[in-house]
Amino acid sequence: EAGVAQSPRYKIIEKRQSVAFWCNPISGHATLYWYQQILGQGPKLLIQFQNNGVVDDSQLPKDRFSAERLKGVDSTLKIQPAKLEDSAVYLCASSFGRGGADTQYFGPGTRLTVL
Amino acid sequence: AQSVTQLDSHVSVSEGTPVLLRCNYSSSYSPSLFWYVQHPNKGLQLLLKYTSAATLVKGINGFEAEFKKSETSFHLTKPSAHMSDAAEYFCVVRSSNTGKLIFGQGTTLQVKP
Repeated sequence: EAGVAQSPRYKIIEKRQSVAFWCNPISGHATLYWYQQILGQGPKLLIQFQNNGVVDDSQLPKDRFSAERLKGVDSTLKIQPAKLEDSAVYLCASSFGRGGADTQYFGPGTRLTVL
Repeated sequence: AQSVTQLDSHVSVSEGTPVLLRCNYSSSYSPSLFWYVQHPNKGLQLLLKYTSAATLVKGINGFEAEFKKSETSFHLTKPSAHMSDAAEYFCVVRSSNTGKLIFGQGTTLQVKP
């Protein structure tokens, strides 16, 4: 089966610009996650969707970050305006459900550099 | 709150020798624990997972991990390291409420010829 797709793979912007990332989860997966991985650290969850509803966005900087999952399939993550500290890899993951036995499958990530 | 602590930020072994990557967890409930591997410029790949079945879990590529409740540990081992094992390894606990993954800081495994 096809894996989690993300685009673009790389993005370089200047601070105060805006940027958007796209994720297409594995077909049939109801749960979708966006993680931020800063260099040298483990990924940190930004937002979790169950179908098109938000389950957890407690660590999403809502003054500049937004995400949506219209129709419960694809998702976009937007940053506006970007700051230097937003430089990171943004990972999308999906799982069939959100129970303990459900495996999360990760996409290749989008590497964002903010200059 | 649930968390994991990876005790070593960097581990170096020689090819053909055993690998031990250490992880301690903190959880009020019976945890779901995972090990993920991340090769340079590649996505995260699940190595193995523990979800309250057998305490010794076998994963891909010869890796295994043992859940020890008395020690709150979930160490990752492999009998014989291969050059292709060089990567970043993450110990992960899953939130029992939301299902989100909580990652450790990672351990870089270096394999010397």
